[in-house]
Amino acid sequence: RKEVEQDPGPFNVPEGATVAFNCTYSNSASQSFFWYRQDCRKEPKLLMSVYSSGNEDGRFTAQLNRASQYISLLIRDSKLSDSATYLCVVRGSARQLTFGSGTQLTVLP
Amino acid sequence: DGGITQSPKYLFRKEGQNVTLSCEQNLNHDAMYWYRQDPGQGLRLIYYSQIVNDFQKGDIAEGYSVSREKKESFPLTVTSAQKNPTAFYLCASSIVGTGRTGELFFGEGSRLTVL
Repeated sequence: RKEVEQDPGPFNVPEGATVAFNCTYSNSASQSFFWYRQDCRKEPKLLMSVYSSGNEDGRFTAQLNRASQYISLLIRDSKLSDSATYLCVVRGSARQLTFGSGTQLTVLP
Repeated sequence: DGGITQSPKYLFRKEGQNVTLSCEQNLNHDAMYWYRQDPGQGLRLIYYSQIVNDFQKGDIAEGYSVSREKKESFPLTVTSAQKNPTAFYLCASSIVGTGRTGELFFGEGSRLTVL
């Protein structure tokens, strides 16, 4: 089983739609969780950290469920500029980051 | 402006040749990393360094070598022993270890193609 698993998609949604991605992780000792965004053929960039209580940044909401070992990212009112690959990232007890393979999102006009 | 610079952006190599990818940062970060990304896969850690003159193997270090003689520089050599070297290579840095925020700052990447 992969340490971090994501649905690869692609998710094709119309502008204005709400879309949610899930990510599961296998190591129950994992300590920190993040979502990164990667545009086509570009480097990844940190989108947001995921806190135990859940957190929101504008149209983006991240949630963590430790009992079920999954993380989610919700995007409301999707924009064309949201089209990208979203990477789920987990930091384990060894303090290194493990990246999921990413979920591809395309927002259609 | 501070950042991470990788070069070259594109590189073609014949089988059996070693090639060195450059990574320089002026963010004053202690930790630096090399990742490899293949189509449809997540980033995989090759090597990392948390301090000058010290580095550790990541998950897929075989066929690669690194050095960390200066805080600003962390070059990666892809040797002829690496069986499938064609990939997108990303260098990153962070403040200390992976940092409390988990934020890695990435360079723009180097695309290596072995002919």
